[in-house]
Amino acid sequence: QQQVKQSPQSLIVQKGGISIINCAYENTAFDYFPWYQQFPGKGPALLIAIRPDVSEKKEGRFTISFNKSAKQFSLHIMDSQPGDSATYFCAAPRGVRETSGSRLTFGEGTQLTVNP
Amino acid sequence: EPEVTQTPSHQVTQMGQEVILRCVPISNHLYFYWYRQILGQKVEFLVSFYNNEISEKSEIFDDQFSVERPDGSNFTLKIRSTKLEDSAMYFCASSTRDWESGDTQYFGPGTRLTVL
Repeated sequence: QQQVKQSPQSLIVQKGGISIINCAYENTAFDYFPWYQQFPGKGPALLIAIRPDVSEKKEGRFTISFNKSAKQFSLHIMDSQPGDSATYFCAAPRGVRETSGSRLTFGEGTQLTVNP
Repeated sequence: EPEVTQTPSHQVTQMGQEVILRCVPISNHLYFYWYRQILGQKVEFLVSFYNNEISEKSEIFDDQFSVERPDGSNFTLKIRSTKLEDSAMYFCASSTRDWESGDTQYFGPGTRLTVL
């Protein structure tokens, strides 16, 4: 079964700092790696995703870095804000057949707290 | 912006009772999923559905679970005889497998199921 290992489990940063969350995955057929942001009592919201044919993708303050050879990808949040305080999940797909969609395996989650 | 909707937001039931959780996926999406999240834990895949049939299911998705797309808009998860350990948040997701963005899955807000 696909495993996704996420670290750290929790992270506290000061406002304006950089938050970095890491994920490692096992062998799989894949076509993208998403990061989800979840606030308490809400569903996971897609934050940013990367395809494996690029090494980095940036959207505003959020950047995904992808290291295919190491089977790792990370989320960087620049200029972290108190409103970024949430749980972040990385995920990896499994099963990319045209007729099956992709079963997402989620990491354990990182609880990010950004202090004002 | 189109979004996945789920009803009810909270369902309380007695052990052994049947529950049906409802979802309306994004209208042009073709792949549908159910995931669950036990309080404080990671999101876990239950089942994927495409072309009116189950395409993949996890070991969690036993004979007590079933899914259905009764019409062109709704997607339901039925638990026939609920157990205490079924208490969790249940999330519906949908995707379109756009080859530009990959199989990006969008999640609904969830239904909190409490089994007493």
